[in-house]
Amino acid sequence: QKEVEQNSGPLSVPEGAIASLNCTYSDRVSQSFFWYRQYSGKSPELIMSIYSNGDKEDGRFTAQLNKASQYVSLLIRDSQPSDSATYLCAVNKAGDDKIIFGKGTRLHILP
Amino acid sequence: DGGITQSPKYLFRKEGQNVTLSCEQNLNHDAMYWYRQDPGQGLRLIYYSQIVNDFQKGDIAEGYSVSREKKESFPLTVTSAQKNPTAFYLCASNRLAANTGELFFGEGSRLTVL
Repeated sequence: QKEVEQNSGPLSVPEGAIASLNCTYSDRVSQSFFWYRQYSGKSPELIMSIYSNGDKEDGRFTAQLNKASQYVSLLIRDSQPSDSATYLCAVNKAGDDKIIFGKGTRLHILP
Repeated sequence: DGGITQSPKYLFRKEGQNVTLSCEQNLNHDAMYWYRQDPGQGLRLIYYSQIVNDFQKGDIAEGYSVSREKKESFPLTVTSAQKNPTAFYLCASNRLAANTGELFFGEGSRLTVL
């Protein structure tokens, strides 16, 4: 089992709808979770971090964490064409210097 | 403006040549990282460093070398021993006091072996 798994997509969502991106992780001691956005040919940028169970909202973005199910998701409300990108899920454990990335999900917002 | 500068952005290399990718940051961050990204793949960790004159291997260190002589600088050398070096290379940094997952990335260096 891969450490961090994401559906590669592409995920196509109509403009204005909610985009839902999912990520599962294998190591139960993982404690910190991150979502990065990467536009084609560019470097990743951090858009959300979440450390405890539940929801965390920032503007149109909501991160959801369920440690019991080893599942983290990212919701994007009112999707815009500018949200079209690859979204990388990243995980690390307390006391561990390494951050493990998933392969990313390509999101395409349909105008 | 604070940030991470990688150079060169594009680099072509003949087989058997070593190349060095530069990474400089003025964010006063303690930790620096090198990742490799292949098409359709996630980021794989090559090397990282938390303090000057110290660094650790990541998951795919073979064929690569690094140095950390200054806090601001973390160059990566891709040696001829790296069998498949064509890739997008990303340098990142963060403050040790912060969570290690909150990384700031440079713009990347795209290496092509001819």
